[in-house]
Amino acid sequence: DTAVSQTPKYLVTQMGNDKSIKCEQNLGHDTMYWYKQDSKKFLKIMFSYNNKELIINETVPNRFSPKSPDKAHLNLHINSLELGDSAVYFCASSQADRVQETQYFGPGTRLLVL
Amino acid sequence: AQKVTQAQTEISVVEKEDVTLDCVYETRDTTYYLFWYKQPPSGELVFLIRRNSFDEQNEISGRYSWNFQKSTSSFNFTITASQVVDSAVYFCALSEGAGGSYIPTFGRGTSLIVHP
Repeated sequence: DTAVSQTPKYLVTQMGNDKSIKCEQNLGHDTMYWYKQDSKKFLKIMFSYNNKELIINETVPNRFSPKSPDKAHLNLHINSLELGDSAVYFCASSQADRVQETQYFGPGTRLLVL
Repeated sequence: AQKVTQAQTEISVVEKEDVTLDCVYETRDTTYYLFWYKQPPSGELVFLIRRNSFDEQNEISGRYSWNFQKSTSSFNFTITASQVVDSAVYFCALSEGAGGSYIPTFGRGTSLIVHP
């Protein structure tokens, strides 16, 4: 059983379009995250949700809007896609929002904006 | 300044060689956690190890070992008798409690290439 799953795995779209990436975890974790990994492999946190509430928003353009309908899901909607949004987006989850928690990552969504 | 420094951008070895991946971190907290993740060519991020700041014992798991030294703020990762399947990007990360945000800070990764 996949612990953290993301759909779609690949997303190719035109500039200006709106797209969504879905994430689900079946680990019973309280905290979920979105990361962006650029072409140089740098992993940067975008958002963190704890029990459906936003706790971290790391200076991400407001074209990016996360939504957490319940603890097991954290979706990412992106409006007006730009070329610079091309990256791999990782969802992750951890038991709780605590310093000792290990994050478990989804397989990633490879977004290419043309 | 980076909180987690992985100075080796890329390391290339031949199979069966031992290789050490360096990780140097910076924190003012006394309680913190360090992690290593592996990202193989398939792209997923795989958790390898977590270590807390109060436990400086080295850890060995098969061909993998970790050396945590608070005196030098380092948490190095050694692969013994490397194999082609070890080829991946390896990330070191630091989780600290300062400021109430526990989001780990990742290093920029070290790409390990193991040649047959």
